[in-house]
Amino acid sequence: QKEVEQDPGPLSVPEGAIVSLNCTYSNSAFQYFMWYRQYSRKGPELLMYTYSSGNKEDGRFTAQVDKSSKYISLFIRDSQPSDSATYLCAMMGSSASKIIFGSGTRLSIRP
Amino acid sequence: ETGVTQTPRHLVMGMTNKKSLKCEQHLGHNAMYWYKQSAKKPLELMFVYNFKEQTENNSVPSRFSPECPNSSHLFLHLHTLQPEDSALYLCASSQDPGGWGETQYFGPGTRLLVL
Repeated sequence: QKEVEQDPGPLSVPEGAIVSLNCTYSNSAFQYFMWYRQYSRKGPELLMYTYSSGNKEDGRFTAQVDKSSKYISLFIRDSQPSDSATYLCAMMGSSASKIIFGSGTRLSIRP
Repeated sequence: ETGVTQTPRHLVMGMTNKKSLKCEQHLGHNAMYWYKQSAKKPLELMFVYNFKEQTENNSVPSRFSPECPNSSHLFLHLHTLQPEDSALYLCASSQDPGGWGETQYFGPGTRLLVL
């Protein structure tokens, strides 16, 4: 079983829709949870991070962590074509050098 | 731009060639990383350097040889690669590698094709 599972997509939604991206994981030692966004021909950029369980909101983005279910989500409200990218979930335990990434979900927002 | 540059952006090499990838960070960070990103696979951490010292080597084959002459520069020397080594190689840096929620800044990557 992979440590982190993420649906690769592609996921295509109309502009303005609410997008839900998810990852599941198996290692209960993970404490920090991150979402990276990667545009085509660019490196990943950190979008949001959360510690332990709970929600975190930043503009149109909300990150949610449910440690009891080992499930994390990223919600994008009022999605825009500029949100079209690959979204990578990532998580780590005690050391930032041991970040485990999901395989990424390719998202396309249709105008 | 994230402050992390990588050259070359694209590289095609034969299995007997020797080549090097270069990464430079202009952020004053102390830690640098090499990752491998293959299609439909998660990013794989290859090496971590902290203050020029290698602190992680995730069972990477010896045909990949990293070098970190100072905190701003990181190289990945390649020799006798295999076609399955074709991937996007990403460099990243962070202030230091041990902090909680430490943000890593990624370069644009080098797209490598091994023939």
